[in-house]
Amino acid sequence: EVQLVESGGGLVKPGGSLRLSCTASGFAFTDAWMSWVRQAPGKGLEWVGRIKSKTHGGTTDYPAPVKGRFTISRDDSKNTLYLQMNSLKTEDTALYFCATLANWSLDYWGQGTLVTVSS
Amino acid sequence: EIVLTQSPGTLSLSPGERATLSCRASQSVSSTYLAWYQQKPGQTPRLVIHGASSRATGIPDRFSGSGSGTDFTLTISRLEPEDFAVYYCQQYGSSPLYSFGQGTKLEIK
Repeated sequence: EVQLVESGGGLVKPGGSLRLSCTASGFAFTDAWMSWVRQAPGKGLEWVGRIKSKTHGGTTDYPAPVKGRFTISRDDSKNTLYLQMNSLKTEDTALYFCATLANWSLDYWGQGTLVTVSS
Repeated sequence: EIVLTQSPGTLSLSPGERATLSCRASQSVSSTYLAWYQQKPGQTPRLVIHGASSRATGIPDRFSGSGSGTDFTLTISRLEPEDFAVYYCQQYGSSPLYSFGQGTKLEIK
């Protein structure tokens, strides 16, 4: 059974940093392309970034709102995906999901970890 | 930048009725790169359709997807009580690399 468990969320002040983790099991994490998606309270879904498998170069892509502030990385030895978030803004407040990528869509999702950016 | 616009914003129907949800893209999207998700209150999104018309694992056959170019549709042939949720369409390929529509809330009438 595919399982994705996010952790690391919490309350942080504007301008602060936070690192989220996503621990994966039940599938070949090394071969997986992974993504982060967020959902602000009461709002829709917003893609936050993607990392390819190391076999495909391990490269990352980000949308404009987070580019230069957020960094996705992976440790295949630990089956873990990371999201380093710097220079956080109040508008980054959201539930952050990690998800697997397949067929150009997000097929398995974690339960999410809540990030609140507030002074 | 591709913008996905879903309509209607809210759809009120009764169990047993047919639901038709629309997703319109501001530019042409390859059918391969169009997906639909279901999200119930307090739950994680669930992939329903990928490649515009392929059902994801475990999705019942009352769900179907269609469309091409800029117009895509998710149809639920006979609504079951568990189908009432928010549905999002999603595209891959144009800046941003992945983007979602704003969602359609399917509610019980």
